[in-house]
Amino acid sequence: QQQVKQSPQSLIVQKGGISIINCAYENTAFDYFPWYQQFPGKGPALLIAIRPDVSEKKEGRFTISFNKSAKQFSLHIMDSQPGDSATYFCAALDTGGFKTIFGAGTRLFVKA
Amino acid sequence: EAQVTQNPRYLITVTGKKLTVTCSQNMNHEYMSWYRQDPGLGLRQIYYSMNVEVTDKGDVPEGYKVSRKEKRNFPLILESPSPNQTSLYFCASSFSRVERDEQFFGPGTRLTVL
Repeated sequence: QQQVKQSPQSLIVQKGGISIINCAYENTAFDYFPWYQQFPGKGPALLIAIRPDVSEKKEGRFTISFNKSAKQFSLHIMDSQPGDSATYFCAALDTGGFKTIFGAGTRLFVKA
Repeated sequence: EAQVTQNPRYLITVTGKKLTVTCSQNMNHEYMSWYRQDPGLGLRQIYYSMNVEVTDKGDVPEGYKVSRKEKRNFPLILESPSPNQTSLYFCASSFSRVERDEQFFGPGTRLTVL
């Protein structure tokens, strides 16, 4: 079963809008939560990451919100642009950091 | 240029014919890992290596082998490929996992097993 559940599967947003992708996890031993961006034909690339002792992290237009008690975290993309159209994966690392569990992915399309 | 390279990028083979997918990094990274990507399942970790001669299983290791004889190389071996191993494979590396350093991914290898 999926240890990290990601939703929605796909998302269409107007240019300038806010894109929101949600993830939930069950294993309380996870201690690091990265988000990856993947363009067609390319490998995933780290976008932004957060540790569970922080409730929010912002880098430019990208923000992670983290709710430790609910075991949920989300990615917000402000002022979404057509160039943001890609597949986004949330992930979680176990204690030690050697194992990475990915969500199923969200395909984002930003309409111009 | 700092990068992770994989070869081949595309491969079509038949059931049971042994194959190796190579992965190499030029960043002196200690940690390397293999993932497979399937629609609706995201990426799943196959094997990882913490350093030379140190490897361990990920979530889906069945049917795969790895070795880490040199720091820069981490080949993925399919001794007897089956159609359910048809997938997109990614190699990744990072300097250290203890510090949660960024993982860099290769460009991917698309494997089809007939």
